[in-house]
Amino acid sequence: NAGVMQNPRHLVRRRGQEARLRCSPMKGHSHVYWYRQLPEEGLKFMVYLQKENIIDESGMPKERFSAEFPKEGPSILRIQQVVRGDSAAYFCASSPGNIYEQYFGPGTRLTVT
Amino acid sequence: DAKTTQPNSMESNEEEPVHLPCNHSTISGTDYIHWYRQLPSQGPEYVIHGLTSNVNNRMASLAIAEDRKSSTLILHRATLRDAAVYYCILSASGGSNYKLTFGKGTLLTVNP
Repeated sequence: NAGVMQNPRHLVRRRGQEARLRCSPMKGHSHVYWYRQLPEEGLKFMVYLQKENIIDESGMPKERFSAEFPKEGPSILRIQQVVRGDSAAYFCASSPGNIYEQYFGPGTRLTVT
Repeated sequence: DAKTTQPNSMESNEEEPVHLPCNHSTISGTDYIHWYRQLPSQGPEYVIHGLTSNVNNRMASLAIAEDRKSSTLILHRATLRDAAVYYCILSASGGSNYKLTFGKGTLLTVNP
């Protein structure tokens, strides 16, 4: 059973460009969570999605960030007009339900130059 | 949200038990205690969780104080692959227990 997959693993963008981060949850998991880890800090919750629904986006910055989890295909975290402060590791996790174990992917390391 | 306090770092020798402490004196009655670990350049990995009673699984044991203000993660025989940052996390109360907040954690070094 493949684990949570994220791609790309590394992404370099210039200021002002768009970044698209993809997450494929574990098979059978319908709940997806995105976290951000800034340099020298712990992971911070961003958003919780189920298929076609955003359940909780309380950790998402108000502007430039959006997330979706369509009926078919991976979950996408989209960052428009990236700035240097967006440089971080972005982790996706999944679970079969709103339970106590989240399975994390390897992360996407975004660098904004 | 209730906070946790962990030592910044700990050291252990291979094949010896490791006791990783966590203080959470402001824990509420509905907060679960979770432990995750993160190896370098990887995503966090679930280790164990509990509410009131001690818990065991194939990876570790979780000992929870009777007043729930502290807990200890026990690795029975440390291996080099256990070297990681260990996070003690309280799930947010009020139904949003999926919202994990990671602090700085404890960096565990395992000596051969």
